[in-house]
Amino acid sequence: DGGITQSPKYLFRKEGQNVTLSCEQNLNHDAMYWYRQDPGQGLRLIYYSQIVNDFQKGDIAEGYSVSREKKESFPLTVTSAQKNPTAFYLCASSRNSPYGYTFGSGTRLTVV
Amino acid sequence: AQTVTQSQPEMSVQEAETVTLSCTYDTSESDYYLFWYKQPPSRQMILVIRQEAYKQQNATENRFSVNFQKAAKSFSLKISDSQLGDAAMYFCAYIGQTRSKLTFGTGTRLQVTL
Repeated sequence: DGGITQSPKYLFRKEGQNVTLSCEQNLNHDAMYWYRQDPGQGLRLIYYSQIVNDFQKGDIAEGYSVSREKKESFPLTVTSAQKNPTAFYLCASSRNSPYGYTFGSGTRLTVV
Repeated sequence: AQTVTQSQPEMSVQEAETVTLSCTYDTSESDYYLFWYKQPPSRQMILVIRQEAYKQQNATENRFSVNFQKAAKSFSLKISDSQLGDAAMYFCAYIGQTRSKLTFGTGTRLQVTL
């Protein structure tokens, strides 16, 4: 079945370390997105990519980096520059059309 | 910039009753789409319903329907015959002409009681 796979489901990071969240899709979707979810703030866009080898900053890109070397993959790196990285991270993809997004099951990142 | 506002942080409804969740948005665009997403405790985001701005007819999906008031920039979700499985966070979302990104509201937590 087609879908989006995010891994790992839970991730713990020590302060000062970089960590990479994986997102893979087999839906042949052109566009992929990373959102951060915090209680009471809904989903906020971190980065998005509409084609391979190209991506744009979202509303809260500071302290994050991404790459899009393959259509199927859009990994997110949370760097040590991100001041408050503890959150739930959701990856999504779409056909670059207004039919809504398909979401992964998310990664819960906790800084210890 | 487009904004989406959900003014009800929490709502409660009895099983089999009807509940309406509110959403307003701000945009200067004429071509856009609006969505309601459901996020149950599993945290999986599920598309509930979609509305095209150019359509005057309100979208309906089984027990879920919307009241789309374009001039008022209002997009409410009505859930009829509420079921225990409807308990979740509900997010209203907007995507504009560039189709570049989906903008979400802050969500409404719906409780369903017996």
